[in-house]
Amino acid sequence: NAGVMQNPRHLVRRRGQEARLRCSPMKGHSHVYWYRQLPEEGLKFMVYLQKENIIDESGMPKERFSAEFPKEGPSILRIQQVVRGDSAAYFCASSPPSAYYEQYFGPGTRLTVT
Amino acid sequence: TQLLEQSPQFLSIQEGENLTVYCNSSSVFSSLQWYRQEPGEGPVLLVTVVTGGEVKKLKRLTFQFGDARKDSSLHITAAQPGDTGLYLCADYSSNTGKLIFGQGTTLQVKP
Repeated sequence: NAGVMQNPRHLVRRRGQEARLRCSPMKGHSHVYWYRQLPEEGLKFMVYLQKENIIDESGMPKERFSAEFPKEGPSILRIQQVVRGDSAAYFCASSPPSAYYEQYFGPGTRLTVT
Repeated sequence: TQLLEQSPQFLSIQEGENLTVYCNSSSVFSSLQWYRQEPGEGPVLLVTVVTGGEVKKLKRLTFQFGDARKDSSLHITAAQPGDTGLYLCADYSSNTGKLIFGQGTTLQVKP
C-alpha cells in the first residue's frame, strides 16, 4: 500500500508567483490534512478536508491560501502571490475512516520563495 | 489553547546509552501520538496511546501514558544511530480533526 504522496518535493517560486502543492492520500483514506513546518514554530495545522468539503480551515491564513480536495484527483494547496514568509515545509497527511486521530504524513514539499 | 511541552529540546548521546524524553500537556490528552521525523522527510507515526496508564512497546522503544492522561514518556533502550531524529508528540482534537504538536526533542545518537 503506497503511502501519502506529495509533489513536487521541492518548489522554488519568486515573490508574487503562485505555488501549487499536490497531495494524494493513502488508498482508502478519505480525510486529508495540511500542515506547515517552520523551524521556529514547529508543525502547525492549516486545513482539514474530505472529498469536496472543507471541514476546518482555522489554521489557514485568510488571504492568498486556499485548499481543495476534489471528487477526482489529488488535494491541492494553493498559495497565491507568495512572499518570503511562505518559505516552509508543507506536509499533507491522511487518515483512515476508522481512526481519524492516526494521521499518516507524506514526505512534504519544501517551498522556497526568492 | 492546549500547549504541549517536550523535554529536553536537544539530546546528544553515545550509541548504546538509554534515554527518556517527555511530553506534557496543559490539558487532558484526547489521544496521544508519538512521531519520529528525519531531516527532509515527513513525520512517521510510531504509536497511539489512548488509555491512562497505558504502556506500549515497539522493539527498543517504550511509551508510557500518565494515569491522568496529561503526560507521556518515550524511553529508548540501547540507542542506535538509526534512532537519530526529531521526536514529536501530538494530541488529536476531535472537534477540529487537527493534531496539535509539541516542539519536539531532537535526538542525536553518535556511533
